[in-house]
Amino acid sequence: DAGVIQSPRHEVTEMGQEVTLRCKPISGHNSLFWYRQTMMRGLELLIYFNNNVPIDDSGMPEDRFSAKMPNASFSTLKIQPSEPRDSAVYFCASTSQRGLREQYFGPGTRLTVT
Amino acid sequence: AQTVTQSQPEMSVQEAETVTLSCTYDTSESDYYLFWYKQPPSRQMILVIRQEAYKQQNATENRFSVNFQKAAKSFSLKISDSQLGDAAMYFCAYREYFGNEKLTFGTGTRLTIIP
Repeated sequence: DAGVIQSPRHEVTEMGQEVTLRCKPISGHNSLFWYRQTMMRGLELLIYFNNNVPIDDSGMPEDRFSAKMPNASFSTLKIQPSEPRDSAVYFCASTSQRGLREQYFGPGTRLTVT
Repeated sequence: AQTVTQSQPEMSVQEAETVTLSCTYDTSESDYYLFWYKQPPSRQMILVIRQEAYKQQNATENRFSVNFQKAAKSFSLKISDSQLGDAAMYFCAYREYFGNEKLTFGTGTRLTIIP
């Protein structure tokens, strides 16, 4: 079975540019999470969706960040305009409502904003 | 708000020996989940082991086991017969049983295996 798929794996962009990160959750999973990992703040939740509906977006840093989940198999995280402090690894994870509901992580996108 | 604390930024162990990584957490909930994730240099987050708070029995997965002390709010990870492939960052994580599904992570422990 395919795991969580993220693209791109690496992104280098200049300050002020728009960045879009993409995620495909595991088929059949109905919750999707976006986390950010930095040296300073560690791993922190940005936003999560349940059945395509945003449930907790309290971790979204500011209006420059937006996330969408138009259907059960696709989500995007957009940063516009990007800033150097947005440089981080962005992880997408998904989980099923069954069992222990463990979160399975994608490989992450390493974003560098120069 | 729940917090997770890993007080050991770095640990090292001789290959084939046993090592224990510490984790404490703070919550007012009685039911919750606890997890250990491994992050090797590839940066992939890999679930190692999970524990449900209402279960008294400590979880075990092959060479990995936990010591769950609910009253003390402690959740340590023991790795037996350490192997070179165990070298990684290890993160302890908490999740509510009901309600918010987000994971709250500790700051991680970097484990080095000495050949």
